[in-house]
Amino acid sequence: EVQLVESGGDLVQPGGSLRLSCAASGFTFSTYDMHWVRQTTGKGLEWVSAIGTAGDTYYPGSVKGRFTISRENAKNSLYLQMNSLRAGDTAVYYCARDPGGVTGWYFDLWGRGTLVTVSS
Amino acid sequence: SYELIQPPSVSVSPGQTASITCSGDKLGDKYACWYRQKPGQSPVLVIYQDNKRPSGIPERFSGSNSGNTATLTISGTQAMDEADYYCQAWDSSTVVFGGGTKLTVL
Repeated sequence: EVQLVESGGDLVQPGGSLRLSCAASGFTFSTYDMHWVRQTTGKGLEWVSAIGTAGDTYYPGSVKGRFTISRENAKNSLYLQMNSLRAGDTAVYYCARDPGGVTGWYFDLWGRGTLVTVSS
Repeated sequence: SYELIQPPSVSVSPGQTASITCSGDKLGDKYACWYRQKPGQSPVLVIYQDNKRPSGIPERFSGSNSGNTATLTISGTQAMDEADYYCQAWDSSTVVFGGGTKLTVL
């Protein structure tokens, strides 16, 4: 079955760190760009990071310098290392597959998400 | 930074046509896509590259993009189409989402 399964979400104190994982199955993981997208409770979607097939990475200003995306193709896995967490980072974090390539980024497969709560 | 603006809500009667707009500066020069999200579920791609439908998405879903506005059109709207819809574009190696539109089928 083609799917993405996120894990690693937890309750963490402000200033703390957390590492999210995303396990891919049913497709050739190494040939796709991959992304993390988050959604705060009852609110909209926010792009968090991207990693290309060559390992190139991209971030929005809101997380640049605090979050690091990485991938391990041999394990069909995507990761998100989150440091210096803030209350505003509280959200459901989705892993998403991007088939767009040179035609631009969009997401044709999403995981079910993992909840990150930043609170003291 | 680039912004995409959507109406917060749209209402439609069953069997009628629903149109959801997404506005952004020169959006027609970029590719737009659309996602549907039902409560408690992950987003699902319904339109990509302005007007293409992924496999499994009904033909009643269509898209267009020109000038500053992209539009998602749902023809013959059904009760099952009630959901939040998000537009998305890509600009300067950054992904931008619209704020989302709640589609109500009355």
